[in-house]
Amino acid sequence: QKEVEQNSGPLSVPEGAIASLNCTYSDRGSQSFFWYRQYSGKSPELIMFIYSNGDKEDGRFTAQLNKASQYVSLLIRDSQPSDSATYLCAVHSGGGADGLTFGKGTHLIIQP
Amino acid sequence: NAGVTQTPKFQVLKTGQSMTLQCAQDMNHNSMYWYRQDPGMGLRLIYYSASEGTTDKGEVPNGYNVSRLNKREFSLRLESAAPSQTSVYFCASSEWHNTDTQYFGPGTRLTVL
Repeated sequence: QKEVEQNSGPLSVPEGAIASLNCTYSDRGSQSFFWYRQYSGKSPELIMFIYSNGDKEDGRFTAQLNKASQYVSLLIRDSQPSDSATYLCAVHSGGGADGLTFGKGTHLIIQP
Repeated sequence: NAGVTQTPKFQVLKTGQSMTLQCAQDMNHNSMYWYRQDPGMGLRLIYYSASEGTTDKGEVPNGYNVSRLNKREFSLRLESAAPSQTSVYFCASSEWHNTDTQYFGPGTRLTVL
């Protein structure tokens, strides 16, 4: 059973600070890693994806992957109230497997 | 370019009724998916279609059937709805099945009484 674990939160961060969201996964063969943002009552939307160990930056967002530790994180710099949402970590094993395995999400609250 | 569209947006059924959820994508994607999302359970894969003409079971297929009508359309059918199928249903698509980003439709909120 492939598992993706996230702290459900809520994670409360002051406006302008760095929000750090973490995710661990059980399948060592996992190849692709995704972060989705989901506002209440809306569908998930892609924030970032990462395939290789290390950091990947896109604007205020940085994804970090450590395959040896089976750990992926998302950093949000200069957090804004509009970043308040649930963040879903998703992992793809590849090789003919059956789609993405999602974590249950971390509820992030940015306090003005 | 509408992306992934789903109909209906909301539906209320009585136990035992049947219905079909429709999904279409205009991104020329090969792979399509149906998920359900329940509070505290996260997104769970019901069925997927890696390419036109193929369908496979996901994590929670019981009580559902799917049809990949053509490359654009992937429908989900509930033959005899049960209260346990009350959920939000999301359709998604990706260019290819493995590794690629999935793009989600707006969802269908289904209540079974």
